[in-house]
Amino acid sequence: NAGVTQTPKFRVLKTGQSMTLLCAQDMNHEYMYWYRQDPGMGLRLIHYSVGEGTTAKGEVPDGYNVSRLKKQNFLLGLESAAPSQTSVYFCATSRGGNEQYFGPGTRLTVT
Amino acid sequence: AQTVTQSQPEMSVQEAETVTLSCTYDTSESNYYLFWYKQPPSRQMILVIRQEAYKQQNATENRFSVNFQKAAKSFSLKISDSQLGDTAMYFCAFIGMNRDDKIIFGKGTRLHILP
Repeated sequence: NAGVTQTPKFRVLKTGQSMTLLCAQDMNHEYMYWYRQDPGMGLRLIHYSVGEGTTAKGEVPDGYNVSRLKKQNFLLGLESAAPSQTSVYFCATSRGGNEQYFGPGTRLTVT
Repeated sequence: AQTVTQSQPEMSVQEAETVTLSCTYDTSESNYYLFWYKQPPSRQMILVIRQEAYKQQNATENRFSVNFQKAAKSFSLKISDSQLGDTAMYFCAFIGMNRDDKIIFGKGTRLHILP
């Protein structure tokens, strides 16, 4: 059981480049989330999904897109990276209305 | 809207001592869950303990226990016999019981266990 995995673990982008972060889970959870964590800001919800084929905006969705084509995968895309998107990104899953299980995080630096 | 407040940005205690981390929250709901998550330097977010609001008994997990005061909307975490491995950021979190409710995190308390 891998739980929740994230790919890649680290990435450096130049301003304007695009990339996709992959979150995969083998917990059969319906709900999946993308957060960003910045110093002093705690965890902020970017986008989330309540099931395959669904997505919804969180607290800080601008500059990001997501897709949930398969139940086990939740993709976070940056179409045109900006330095303000330098952060640590976490994926999480849950059964809904309950505790969340987190991936190991992706450290993204945009120069 | 629900809020979660952790009033101690940073704390330090000696190894083997007991330490209490504070958390208060605001909600109009009567049933909900509360959690403490630990984030060590490895960055992994680890669930430490959970409490259902409808349970009066305080949750306990080995050296970790909570003091849940529903009327006061307080949810503190006590770590007994603290160990060096307890050094981490600790986040208090709240979620309502509806399936679509989103979890609300506090901003965290950085805990240092000193040798």
